[in-house]
Amino acid sequence: GAGVSQSPRYKVTKRGQDVALRCDPISGHVSLYWYRQALGQGPEFLTYFNYEAQQDKSGLPNDRFSAERPEGSISTLTIQRTEQRDSAMYRCASSRASGIPDTQYFGPGTRLTVL
Amino acid sequence: AQSVAQPEDQVNVAEGNPLTVKCTYSVSGNPYLFWYVQYPNRGLQFLLKYITGDNLVKGSYGFEAEFNKSQTSFHLKKPSALVSDSALYFCAVYSGNTPLVFGKGTRLSVIA
Repeated sequence: GAGVSQSPRYKVTKRGQDVALRCDPISGHVSLYWYRQALGQGPEFLTYFNYEAQQDKSGLPNDRFSAERPEGSISTLTIQRTEQRDSAMYRCASSRASGIPDTQYFGPGTRLTVL
Repeated sequence: AQSVAQPEDQVNVAEGNPLTVKCTYSVSGNPYLFWYVQYPNRGLQFLLKYITGDNLVKGSYGFEAEFNKSQTSFHLKKPSALVSDSALYFCAVYSGNTPLVFGKGTRLSVIA
C-alpha cells in the first residue's frame, strides 16, 4: 500500500475486555515497530519485528501486552484484561531494512480508550 | 541510557521569520538523529535525519537541522516560517541496537 495503515482508528472498550490492534506496514518493509504515545508525550517503544521474528519486546509494560507478525507482514498488538491506564494512542511504524538507522514511517495510530 | 530533551514545550514565531526548534541528546555511542512532525489527527511524518557526513541536513518542506557533536544538539531550523508549519515536532535518537527514543515534543505556532 501507499503507507502504513492501522485499524481501528478509534477503539473504546470497557475495563477487563481484550483488544486487538492491527497494523499493515508498507509493502516490502522488513521491520515493524509498535509504540505507545500518551497525551503530551512522545511515542514510547513497545516492541519490534524483523520479518516474523520478534526482536525486542523490552518496552511491553507487562504480560497483558503481546504482539505477533506471523507471516512477516500484518501485525497485531493484543492487550488482555484492559485497564484504564492502557488508554493511549498506539502507533505502528515500518522500515525498509532491518538494520538501523533506517527511517521509520508511521501509521495514523489507534486511539484506545478504556472506560 | 539514551535520551532526548526538547526544552521548549511551545515555540511561537511570526510568519516569514526564521524558526528554531531545539533538541539535545544523550547517547553512549554514535547518534542517529531524526525529526518528525505531527499534524492534528495524523500520524508522525518524517522530516529529516542525520546519520553521518555533513553536519547540516536538509529535509522536507524547507526544513534543515544542524548536528553539533560538541553541544550534543540537533536543532531544527527553517529560514522563513509558514502558518502551515504549525504542528507538533518530535526529535528522536538511537544508537547501537537500542530502540528509537523520542523527545516529548515541541508545539510550533506560526502566527500570520
